[in-house]
Amino acid sequence: GAVVSQHPSWVICKSGTSVKIECRSLDFQATTMFWYRQFPKQSLMLMATSNEGSKATYEQGVEKDKFLINHASLTLSTLTVTSAHPEDSSFYICSASSGVRSGNTIYFGEGSWLTVV
Amino acid sequence: AQTVTQSQPEMSVQEAETVTLSCTYDTSENNYYLFWYKQPPSRQMILVIRQEAYKQQNATENRFSVNFQKAAKSFSLKISDSQLGDTAMYFCAFMRNDMRFGAGTRLTVKP
Repeated sequence: GAVVSQHPSWVICKSGTSVKIECRSLDFQATTMFWYRQFPKQSLMLMATSNEGSKATYEQGVEKDKFLINHASLTLSTLTVTSAHPEDSSFYICSASSGVRSGNTIYFGEGSWLTVV
Repeated sequence: AQTVTQSQPEMSVQEAETVTLSCTYDTSENNYYLFWYKQPPSRQMILVIRQEAYKQQNATENRFSVNFQKAAKSFSLKISDSQLGDTAMYFCAFMRNDMRFGAGTRLTVKP
């Protein structure tokens, strides 16, 4: 079946640096991708919705200049955490769909653990 | 924006018994989709079951079934013949233009 691959699974970066997380749809065209953040023992919080070729739509409270989302192709979306700080440490997970409004299946990546030291 | 509420932070059930997880949501939309996802310690999101709002018939997937009450905006998950492998976090999700999750219910199946 369709698979969404997220990379890297684990990343440690120094405070003040930037880190990029990739989300790839391997065998379908992902017109829409979502990025979530999940704190320990909490739910998935939607950060932004990314449509191919368009600017991402960010949720209220999510800093668009800090969490840069790019969806330049139908198979790849990237999340870049700029000037990372320890409070950005979290589990980030992406999901992708070939058609949200038509109810097409949402596929999730494996997630990425970010630790900022 | 749509909201999803799961009012049971934790639940437990004996192996082979039946358990029901609750979920309510708030929306003004008529067409949407509802899901239950399982998240084991690996954090991988595993689709358990989905329901189209335009379908009156409740979805079933083997031991998993839902009770979808559209007017009441309720979407509960029933797990029959609970197995130890069912132990996980369970999230209810609403999808229209995006997918939003409830707070989750931690289910423990006891031997």
